[in-house]
Amino acid sequence: QVQLVQSGAEVKKPGASVKVSCKASGYTFTNNFMHWVRQAPGQGLEWMGIINPSGGSTSYAQKVQGRVTMTRDTSTSTVYMELSSLRSDDTAVYYCAREGLRIKAGTFDIWGQGTMVTVSS
Amino acid sequence: EIVLTQSPGTLSLSPGQRATLSCRASQSVTNSYLAWYQQKPGQAPRLLICGASTRATGIPDRFSGSGSGTDFTLTISRLEPEDFAVYSCQQYGSSPYTFGQGTKLEIK
Repeated sequence: QVQLVQSGAEVKKPGASVKVSCKASGYTFTNNFMHWVRQAPGQGLEWMGIINPSGGSTSYAQKVQGRVTMTRDTSTSTVYMELSSLRSDDTAVYYCAREGLRIKAGTFDIWGQGTMVTVSS
Repeated sequence: EIVLTQSPGTLSLSPGQRATLSCRASQSVTNSYLAWYQQKPGQAPRLLICGASTRATGIPDRFSGSGSGTDFTLTISRLEPEDFAVYSCQQYGSSPYTFGQGTKLEIK
C-alpha cells in the first residue's frame, strides 16, 4: 500500500540542526511532489516547502527560507528535510505529505506519521 | 499570503446532528482550490475534500463541501462518533499554501 514512513523523534539544543527522513513506498516516487508541513503543539498546520523528487527542485516558505534544505535520494525513494539554527519555536511535529495528482494536485493525499522535534536547552 | 480564518473555534454537537464549519479567506481563492482535512489526536491529517466540493477517495457522502471566492463550508450531514476531530481548510491556489487554524468538533 502507499505509505510514507518518517524517522523517529528528535531532541535538539537551540542552535543545532535536525534532519528528518521520509521513505516512500507503494507508488512511483518521482511521479508526485513532496511537501513538508509542521504543527506546533496545540497549533494549526504550517506549510514549509516542496521538493520535486524527479529533478530535485525546491521552493521554501519565507518563514524558514535560509534555514531549511529539502533533498531527495531516488535510489531509496526517500526525501529529507534539514532545519538549522533551531529555536524553541521550531518545536513541532514535522510531516512529509505527498501531493496528489490531477484533480488532487495541490492537496496532500498521503501523509507520513509525523516526527516530533523538540528544541530545548 | 492568503490568511484562512475558520469558525467556530470549537463546535459542540451530538451524534446524528448536522455540523457546519466555515472557512473564510482574506482574498479570493483561485479556481476554488480549497481543501478540507480531518485530524484526530496523535494522527496525521486525512484529506476529505479537494476543489472545494469533491470528496477524496473513500470519504463517506455525509461529508460535503461548498463555496467559492472567499467563503467555504464543510458540512457533515449526520454526525457519527468517529467524526469528532479537528477539521482544517487549506488553500492551494496561491503560493505559499496556507491552512486555517482548525475547528475542533467535540461531542456535546
